[in-house]
Formats: sequence, C-alpha cells, structure tokens
Amino acid sequence: ELKVEQNPLFLSMQEGKNYTIYCNYSTTSDRLYWYRQDPGKSLESLFVLLSNGAVKQEGRLMASLDTKARLSTLHITAAVHDLSATYFCAVFSGGGADGLTFGKGTHLIIQP
Amino acid sequence: ETGVTQTPRHLVMGMTNKKSLKCEQHLGHNAMYWYKQSAKKPLELMFVYNFKEQTENNSVPSRFSPECPNSSHLFLHLHTLQPEDSALYLCASSLFSGGQSYNEQFFGPGTRLTVL
Repeated sequence: ELKVEQNPLFLSMQEGKNYTIYCNYSTTSDRLYWYRQDPGKSLESLFVLLSNGAVKQEGRLMASLDTKARLSTLHITAAVHDLSATYFCAVFSGGGADGLTFGKGTHLIIQP
Repeated sequence: ETGVTQTPRHLVMGMTNKKSLKCEQHLGHNAMYWYKQSAKKPLELMFVYNFKEQTENNSVPSRFSPECPNSSHLFLHLHTLQPEDSALYLCASSLFSGGQSYNEQFFGPGTRLTVL
C-alpha cells in the first residue's frame, strides 16, 4: 500500500524567511503532484513532477523530485503572507487512470 | 461554466435520506474521480472512472454509489449515511491517455456534506 508522508504538518513562519516542506512516499512512483488549498476552497495544482531530478519553479515556490530517495521537496523563498495555505503532495497510485494518494498536508501560516 | 463544477456546494441530510452529488467537467477530460476530505485525514480516493468505466473502488461502503453517464458528468448517490460520513467531497478530472501520460488532475470546489 502506497503511503505518503509530509512534514511538517504545521508551519508558522515569518515573512521573508525560507523554508522547505518534505514529502516522502513508500513505493516506486515517477509522478508527483503538489497542490495548494486555501480555507474553504478547492485544490489548486501547483506542480507536476514526472522524472527523477525534475525541478520546477513558480514565483517563490520551487519543487523537486528525487525518485531514488522517494522524496520531493517544496521550497519557499522569502515567504510572503499570500502563500499562507495548506500544501499537499500527492503520488500516483498506479490505478487504471490516475488515482492519487495524498499526504496529510502542511498547514502553512506566514506572519507579517 | 469552466473547469470542474460541483452541486450542491453544501448539503445537510439525515441518516435516512437519499441524496445525490453532481459533478461536471468542461475540460474535455476522459477520467473523473471522487475524493473524500475529512478533518485531520488525508484526501481519500473513493472512485475512479476512465472513459465512463469504473476502474477503481477503494473499498468504499455501498451506501456510496457512483454513476458516470458520460465522460463529462459524475454523480455520487448517497443513502443511509452515517455522521462519520460528514466531509468535503471533491470531484476531479484529468485527461488520461495511458502509461506515462501527464494526467494532471483538476478539482472542483467540493460539496460540504453534513450528516445529522
């Protein structure tokens, strides 16, 4: 059974600081997704990582994938308040279409 | 309408009621999904439909019954639910072309279900 673990689950940080969210998964997969969820809202796709060593960046967020270590990271650079949200990583489960297994999410609060 | 829409957005029902959740995708996708998001638990995949055929059922109780009449519409029929079934039910869709295809999933806004 595929398990996806994120840490930390809760993170409070100051604006302007850097931090990294980690996502470990238990079985081989070469597709990993990062999503953002604002309170009361749905999930917004941030990154799709499809191969070992993949790195993608959008604004202050950068995601990477190491399939050998079964690890993805989401790095936040010079955080701003607007990035406050819950961030989920999800891994392809290997079903017929694209059933995803999600981590528990990292609740990120960025304080001015 | 664009993207993935879900109705109703909020639903309160008793344990003896029967209700249905509706999802519609306007993205030309061919795979649709139901997920359950409960407080303090990861999103749980419930059902997967690929080209209208159910391809995955993650041991979901029979009080949840999916229906996919075409590749744009997905329903979740609910009957005799329990209070622990209260959650946010999210629908998603993707363009599945097999193997190593990209298959980014796009989510609807969800239906917040409360079972009394």
